Amino acid sequence: NAGVTQTPKFQVLKTGQSMTLQCAQDMNHNSMYWYRQDPGMGLRLIYYSASEGTTDKGEVPNGYNVSRLNKREFSLRLESAAPSQTSVYFCASRSVALVYEQFFGPGTRLTVL
Amino acid sequence: SQKIEQNSEALNIQEGKTATLTCNYTNYSPAYLQWYRQDPGRGPVFLLLIRENEKEKRKERLKVTFDTTLKQSLFHITASQPADSATYLCAPGDDKIIFGKGTRLHILP
Repeated sequence: NAGVTQTPKFQVLKTGQSMTLQCAQDMNHNSMYWYRQDPGMGLRLIYYSASEGTTDKGEVPNGYNVSRLNKREFSLRLESAAPSQTSVYFCASRSVALVYEQFFGPGTRLTVL
Repeated sequence: SQKIEQNSEALNIQEGKTATLTCNYTNYSPAYLQWYRQDPGRGPVFLLLIRENEKEKRKERLKVTFDTTLKQSLFHITASQPADSATYLCAPGDDKIIFGKGTRLHILP
């Protein structure tokens, strides 16, 4: 099993450009999450999806959209990137059976110039 | 709003001693509290989960306590080793897990 995979690993954007961060898990987990991590700020929840077909806002959803394409995939879209969105983005998934333990992907380092 | 505080930004401990990390939370009552380890450039890795009706949980050299009255969890690493050096994240919560900023632990040889 690959676990949680994220693409791309690194990305540089110019202000105003758009892009989609991809996340997939092969563990048949129900819930998936997107976090951003900034120095001194810790992990902050952007959006999460408790099950296929549902999405909910987290702490910092402004400037982002998500799509739970199917049970395996959960994408994060930046419609018009801003320098404040420079961060490391982590995707995570969780199985209801493994009561709240989250499995994280390796992260995407995004720089917005 | 919900708030999580973890003690100090960095903690230096001599090898072989016990490292104790603190997590305090306010404005909610989570049924669970988790601890994760994060190494530089990597995603967090789950270590332990403790439920609100459990006072203490152990796993090898790790011990976690959960005091719902004080709204505090303590995370202990006994017989610490340089390989334990990492950032440790506290995460109270249920379906919507909120993470603390983490404590960087350095085990000095």
